[in-house]
Amino acid sequence: QLQLQESGPGLVKPSETLSLTCTVSGGSIRSSSYYWGWIRQPPGKGLEWIGSIYYSGSTYYHPSLKSRVTISVDTSKNQFSLKLSSATAADTAVYYCASLPVVQAVIHYYYYYMDVWGKGTTVTVSS
Amino acid sequence: QSALTQPRSVSGSPGQSVTISCTGTSSDVGGYNYVSWYQQHPGKAPKLMIYDVSERPSGVPDRFSGSKSGNTASLTISGLQAEDEADYYCCSYAGSYTLVFGGGTKLTVL
Repeated sequence: QLQLQESGPGLVKPSETLSLTCTVSGGSIRSSSYYWGWIRQPPGKGLEWIGSIYYSGSTYYHPSLKSRVTISVDTSKNQFSLKLSSATAADTAVYYCASLPVVQAVIHYYYYYMDVWGKGTTVTVSS
Repeated sequence: QSALTQPRSVSGSPGQSVTISCTGTSSDVGGYNYVSWYQQHPGKAPKLMIYDVSERPSGVPDRFSGSKSGNTASLTISGLQAEDEADYYCCSYAGSYTLVFGGGTKLTVL
């Protein structure tokens, strides 16, 4: 049974890079059955999908965050990571990692929902 | 990519049914049969309740059901129970490997 756990600094200074890691247990991050993703939730607000990655390295990002986001995978550690550059107070949120089951259509591999979520980690951007 | 529209709050008494709507456009909800719903209790991570418009993951009670008509998807909870009180979020595939969430609906069990 898949389990995901976020980790990283809880406090980031404005203009610096927010960096988080998600450790996957109970399964391999190299599985062809999953994409891996990041979702965030500002205090008192709704959920926002940030981006997703396949074990092969294919990445997809939210259009409004694309210029600042990098998601990468480390298969040797069974982890994937999020980097968000030029952080501002608006990036203060609970950050969740999640697994996204793959749906294969001919030669393409899609994802449409998150089935297993980490517990989340709070990141505050403040000086 | 704009957020999907959900009512801010809904309420119902134990045993009753409630329906939460999720309105998008032909570029997301209306264009794909890939709407999912998540339940979130305070301070907890979201939990998948419905995927692919109307499919229930194992372990989710059949009191929870989903449907879609045009650009609007709906989550119906029948036989309301106290533990159903939570925030509910819809999410839709929006093409080009992107996902968009609704703003969330707070369900109060009276």
